[in-house]
Amino acid sequence: TQLLEQSPQFLSIQEGENLTVYCNSSSVFSSLQWYRQEPGEGPVLLVTVVTGGEVKKLKRLTFQFGDARKDSSLHITAAQPGDTGLYLCAGARSNYQLIWGAGTKLIIKP
Amino acid sequence: KAGVTQTPRYLIKTRGQQVTLSCSPISGHRSVSWYQQTPGQGLQFLFEYFSETQRNKGNFPGRFSGRQFSNSRSEMNVSTLELGDSALYLCASSPRTRSETQYFGPGTRLLVL
Repeated sequence: TQLLEQSPQFLSIQEGENLTVYCNSSSVFSSLQWYRQEPGEGPVLLVTVVTGGEVKKLKRLTFQFGDARKDSSLHITAAQPGDTGLYLCAGARSNYQLIWGAGTKLIIKP
Repeated sequence: KAGVTQTPRYLIKTRGQQVTLSCSPISGHRSVSWYQQTPGQGLQFLFEYFSETQRNKGNFPGRFSGRQFSNSRSEMNVSTLELGDSALYLCASSPRTRSETQYFGPGTRLLVL
């Protein structure tokens, strides 16, 4: 049973388009992290959101934590081929255990 | 500062064999966690070591074991390999145990034939 559901599982779009990927759970998390993993590499932390309703921006990437701290979204504006990768979310429980989503595989075509 | 390193990067084994994977954490990091990543299951937590002691353990059979040395380097061992053990094994280090921020190595891709 996947406690963190990521959607869509796969997304292929043209360069310049906007996109949003989602990370949903019925559980409350103390914080939520987003990672990007490129082929042949380990995941790299992009951002950690902690407060319900929090919005963080990282250049063209906008991360939002749901008010109830059960879900999160990642919005990419004007996607570029360099954004290609597997986007993973991980929720931290109060005992610091990380719960991982299965990821969204994103391909940006030039 | 050098990142997390894992050796070997690729490995091919046959069913029934055993394998040992190695992880060197970022200098100064004392916590090392191991994960198994497969396309269908995503990242599955195996175990965490801190100061040479296993602090947390995931839901994996006893064939999966690990240890940590005094220099914080860690090894993971899988005995009696099964086809389903084929996966990317990732190691992550952090400064302390129970840390939400983890730094991952590139992984060891294991193929069991």
